[in-house]
Amino acid sequence: QSVLTQPASVSAAPGQKVTISCSGSSSNIGNNYVAWYQQLPGTAPKLLIYDNNRRPSGIPDRFSGSKSGTSATLGVTGLQTGDEADYYCGTWDSSLSAYVFGPGTKVTVL
Amino acid sequence: QVQLQESGAGLVKPSETLSLICDVSGYHISSGSYWTWIRQPPGKGLEFIGNIFQSGYSHYNPSLKSRVTMSVDTSKNQLSLELRSVTAADTAVYFCARTGHGSGWFFDYWGQGTLVTVSS
Repeated sequence: QSVLTQPASVSAAPGQKVTISCSGSSSNIGNNYVAWYQQLPGTAPKLLIYDNNRRPSGIPDRFSGSKSGTSATLGVTGLQTGDEADYYCGTWDSSLSAYVFGPGTKVTVL
Repeated sequence: QVQLQESGAGLVKPSETLSLICDVSGYHISSGSYWTWIRQPPGKGLEFIGNIFQSGYSHYNPSLKSRVTMSVDTSKNQLSLELRSVTAADTAVYFCARTGHGSGWFFDYWGQGTLVTVSS
């Protein structure tokens, strides 16, 4: 049972936008930076967003991150079939003294 | 380009010790990064196992702390993970990853992962 909450799945048509929420508490998201990872089927996770809203080199600006209070959001615009994957949020939890991941959200392109 | 590659026994018997190696290339592990182990049970989410600095300073997930040992070998540019007294619940894909340099914690380079099955 994760201390972070994400919707199990979201879906949208190609070209549309999806948003994925990640809800936590003051011991994790509320006082720490959030990262987002994309995991394509059968592959290792890939960093999409770090420090709440920063993109690593090579990540297109279709992916964006934001944080407000104890929640964070990943946005994906111009949805493509190649975006079908599981998306995980992650952050440090000061109470658990461990890095925690959300349960993951499966994105389906209709 | 930083690359990581996990290796080790793919099948471990219950109560025995899981041992994995992570070979790092394209970046020297003594260059000032933390290195992390993460696992993912089949069909499930990601779990932080712990991380280690070049000096050998380590921090383990409290849920696994009593059974985990991590180490670094700077001469071989390798990390290692040992997990003792394994059970079927430890069956997972094990990833090594580099902790990125930023304001918060995040993992910017990952190995492809290696599946370890605990079974007699």
